Amino acid sequence: GQSLEQPSEVTAVEGAIVQINCTYQTSGFYGLSWYQQHDGGAPTFLSYNALDGLEETGRFSSFLSRSDSYGYLLLQELQMKDSASYFCAVTLTGTASKLTFGTGTRLQVTL
Amino acid sequence: DTEVTQTPKHLVMGMTNKKSLKCEQHMGHRAMYWYKQKAKKPPELMFVYSYEKLSINESVPSRFSPECPNSSLLNLHLHALQPEDSALYLCASSYQGSPQETQYFGPGTRLLVL
Repeated sequence: GQSLEQPSEVTAVEGAIVQINCTYQTSGFYGLSWYQQHDGGAPTFLSYNALDGLEETGRFSSFLSRSDSYGYLLLQELQMKDSASYFCAVTLTGTASKLTFGTGTRLQVTL
Repeated sequence: DTEVTQTPKHLVMGMTNKKSLKCEQHMGHRAMYWYKQKAKKPPELMFVYSYEKLSINESVPSRFSPECPNSSLLNLHLHALQPEDSALYLCASSYQGSPQETQYFGPGTRLLVL
């Protein structure tokens, strides 16, 4: 079946840089998205990679390598408010708009 | 306005009750979605409506019945639920339902079935 695996938890210090990885086993997809979800909140779109390479949006960057079946989200200048769960997600080819989420990574930012 | 609203925020119901969850967006989006999310798990797609027609049903039990009265509203009717149906129910919308579109999520309804 299709799967997107992420580390379950990551801890980092305020001001640091953290990378959240997403490795996948899927036959084909349109692109890799990243969503942030604070406790009790709505998932919020962060970034999308349609093609291989790096996409930068402010403090957040996302990377995709289809040949390595791998992507990551890079968060720079970490702030306490970045403590949240982060999900990678794909829309598989042939599934129209069905978004399949990764296992999720809980990021804890400490002082 | 990039907001998706959901009511109620919290809902407690018995296994014999009938209740409805409501979702509304005024972004002109023509695709709307229902997801179910258990604690510490990713959201799982339940239904997709595209142009007010049901386009995807992820083999959801019939005790969940979606309805899309118009392009701005999405309901989820609940009947004879089980305790394992307790979860956060998220609504989302996107422009037309194309694969590369960003989905905008509401804050969810936290449902507890007793």
